[in-house]
Amino acid sequence: GENVEQHPSTLSVQEGDSAVIKCTYSDSASNYFPWYKQELGKRPQLIIDIRSNVGEKKDQRIAVTLNKTAKHFSLHITETQPEDSAVYFCAASIAQNFVFGPGTRLSVLP
Amino acid sequence: KAGVTQTPRYLIKTRGQQVTLSCSPISGHRSVSWYQQTPGQGLQFLFEYFSETQRNKGNFPGRFSGRQFSNSRSEMNVSTLELGDSALYLCASSLRFGDTEAFFGQGTRLTVV
Repeated sequence: GENVEQHPSTLSVQEGDSAVIKCTYSDSASNYFPWYKQELGKRPQLIIDIRSNVGEKKDQRIAVTLNKTAKHFSLHITETQPEDSAVYFCAASIAQNFVFGPGTRLSVLP
Repeated sequence: KAGVTQTPRYLIKTRGQQVTLSCSPISGHRSVSWYQQTPGQGLQFLFEYFSETQRNKGNFPGRFSGRQFSNSRSEMNVSTLELGDSALYLCASSLRFGDTEAFFGQGTRLTVV
């Protein structure tokens, strides 16, 4: 079955700096890759996603890149702010079966 | 438009009991997936329902079951509860089946004592 790895497990950055989180997946049939942000005690919230026919997608300060050949995708957050502090999960999906990475705890230091 | 609604928010049960959790998807959404979230195992897929049919199932024992009703609402049942079943159970709602955006509910926090 699908296996998703995510690195780093924790990440601390200074406010205003960029943050990058990387995920790899094992099943080449996966074709949908969402990213979720989960603040403490709250539900995971979809922040951006990318499909297998696209290499890059950007939404304001957030971007995601996908390399299907290498089977990895990354989340890029620019100009980080304290409210970006949360746990971020990547996922790879085949037919609505989402396999999640273990999460990255991002801390943005003021 | 109302979001995904899960009830109850919190539950405390004793070992051996059974529990039923409910999920109402976003209006118009027909796919409901269930996930178990624990600190040690992260987010793990339980099963997914579309049009009242289970389309996908994760690697959980048969004590975990679910169903979906004609109005797309879904229930999840866990029988013979074990201490290790303590977790946050999340459901996610999608417009249709097949690699589309999924939106999570607040979850039901189940504690088994």
